[in-house]
This record gives sequence, C-alpha cells and structure tokens, in this order.
Amino acid sequence: DTGVSQNPRHKITKRGQNVTFRCDPISEHNRLYWYRQTLGQGPEFLTYFQNEAQLEKSRLLSDRFSAERPKGSFSTLEIQRTEQGDSAMYLCASSLSGPSLGYTFGSGTRLTVV
Amino acid sequence: GENVEQHPSTLSVQEGDSAVIKCTYSDSASNYFPWYKQELGKRPQLIIDIRSNVGEKKDQRIAVTLNKTAKHFSLHITETQPEDSAVYFCAASGFQKLVFGTGTRLLVSP
Repeated sequence: DTGVSQNPRHKITKRGQNVTFRCDPISEHNRLYWYRQTLGQGPEFLTYFQNEAQLEKSRLLSDRFSAERPKGSFSTLEIQRTEQGDSAMYLCASSLSGPSLGYTFGSGTRLTVV
Repeated sequence: GENVEQHPSTLSVQEGDSAVIKCTYSDSASNYFPWYKQELGKRPQLIIDIRSNVGEKKDQRIAVTLNKTAKHFSLHITETQPEDSAVYFCAASGFQKLVFGTGTRLLVSP
C-alpha cells in the first residue's frame, strides 16, 4: 500500500462540462475525506465518509457536487456543469476511525475550468 | 462549527532564527491539533501534532504548545534552515474532520 492515490492528477475542462475524480484510500482506513484548496488558502472541508456512509457535507458542496463511496473503499467526486470558480486542487485524505489516527492526504487533482 | 484562525499569513526570517506561528480555535470540544507543511505543488505533510491532554510537544527543532483555556496553539521552529521554507497549516478537530487555518508562508533566507 503506497498511500492515498488520486486520479487524475490534472484535469482541464470546459465550462459546463461534468468531471469526476477518484480517490483510493489506504486500504485499512475506514474514513475518507474530500477537501478543496485554492491558491494561498488552507484546505476547505467538503465531505467525509465512514465506510460507505456519507456522514457530513459542507455548505460548500452545492447541488452540482456529489460524492460516493459505494463499497466503502474508493470514492468518487463528481462536479456537474463546471464553473470557472470550481478551479482548485481537490484533495482526498483517509484515516482510521478518527482524524487523529493516521490522517493521510493524497497528491490531489488539480482542476482547471476554462 | 469549528473555526480556526492563523497568523501571520507570511513570515520572513534569517537562517538560524526562530519562527513562531499562532492559531486559535473556536470549538472547546476540539481535542486534536496537527500542523502540516505544504511545499509548492505537493500534498500537505504532517510535521507534528498535539492532543488536548498535553500542553507541549517537541520533535527536534519543532515544538507545539497548546493552551486549552485560551483555545490557542502555536508552532515553534528553532534554528530555521532554507529547506523549512514552505506554507504551514494548523488544524483542529474533534472526532469528525480536520478544520484548517488559512496558512502561513514561511520564507527562510540564507
């Protein structure tokens, strides 16, 4: 297990298109988190899962955003009808049953909406 | 919900000087306070953390202090080196998710 894996690393899309990102957590981690980070800012929480259950969603997660973790392993984050303001780094992290237990970030997916 | 404030936003020091970054949090239920270092284009990396039952923790040139009463915690880097230049983030959490500060860009000049 080489850590948290995110794909793709970079995505350029035209405004109005849909995009989907994937995160593969560390295998024994049952928690998975999504964050968004814009230049010069700290990671902003979007949502998190415990196994397959989505336990919390930020107000930042508009109805254009949806996340799934169907079998409690990998997760996908989809953005529909992308806007230029969606351009950011999307970070995934995973941990054991709480944030203080092995919290590890992936390398992120950089989204550019043109 | 939790809110974390961090300052300064930028900090420039000479090599060998000390650097201090301060954070405050709002939720008294928070019990875990990690610090992350992020280099340009890379993922945040955990450098040190502290739990609420401890007032201070040290790891070589890095130390963190926590004042639960004031809801305040700080990162101290001694004998800074150019490779310490990066953006540093504090965070706070209870049992759910980490909430991050806005970051401090540290520049260490040779």
